Amino acid sequence: QSALTQPASVSGSPGQSITISCTGTRSDVGGYAYVSWFQQHPGKAPKLLIYEVIKRPSGISNRFSGSKSGNTASLTISGLQAEDEADYYCSSYSTPMKYVIFGGGTMLTVL
Amino acid sequence: QVRLQESGPGLVKTSETLSLTCTVSGGSFTYYYWSWIRQTPGKGLEWIAYMHYSGTTNYNPSLKSRVTISLDTSKYQMSLNLTSVTAADTAVYYCARGGTSNFDPVDVWGQGTMVTVS
Repeated sequence: QSALTQPASVSGSPGQSITISCTGTRSDVGGYAYVSWFQQHPGKAPKLLIYEVIKRPSGISNRFSGSKSGNTASLTISGLQAEDEADYYCSSYSTPMKYVIFGGGTMLTVL
Repeated sequence: QVRLQESGPGLVKTSETLSLTCTVSGGSFTYYYWSWIRQTPGKGLEWIAYMHYSGTTNYNPSLKSRVTISLDTSKYQMSLNLTSVTAADTAVYYCARGGTSNFDPVDVWGQGTMVTVS
């Protein structure tokens, strides 16, 4: 099964908001409320930011929010900060996998 | 706080078997799903396989014929064997913990170990 589709890169200035999209199919994003988002800084392991589309684990800033419409999920980061510069990955439960499938990743640049 | 640490050879010869171990500390195997996930520059993150503490396993269909995963609860270790490796298997390999349901996200990751196939 192909990976979920994310834009290769996005950018924004400090204080602005950006949104990263994640497009799948009815067999994954569109079929389940089990979309997650991860942040990854260079040389580090991914860190869970959002799960079940909209939920944040304890300790994650409310500047990060998730949503979903149809086969596309989105991650919005508000009040951009320099420390937000990182790669972001979406994931979803997938019927063919019977587990998780990931997006290709989006590089966020804070200008 | 649970911590995961991958270990194994950083270099594997083409056509041979890649073997990695993940040691879990500060937590229990019980109730959770335990996965291997890899990351390549070209393909991003790719889930390889999981094993539930009960013994249930599930494999990525694209890798299923070459992968074996196991848990040793007495040693708090999880193992991965990937046979007949090629350059396409060069990646950072992570062990990771999911939740108590296979719908739960992976929420704890090891630091990852780079494996080069040459």
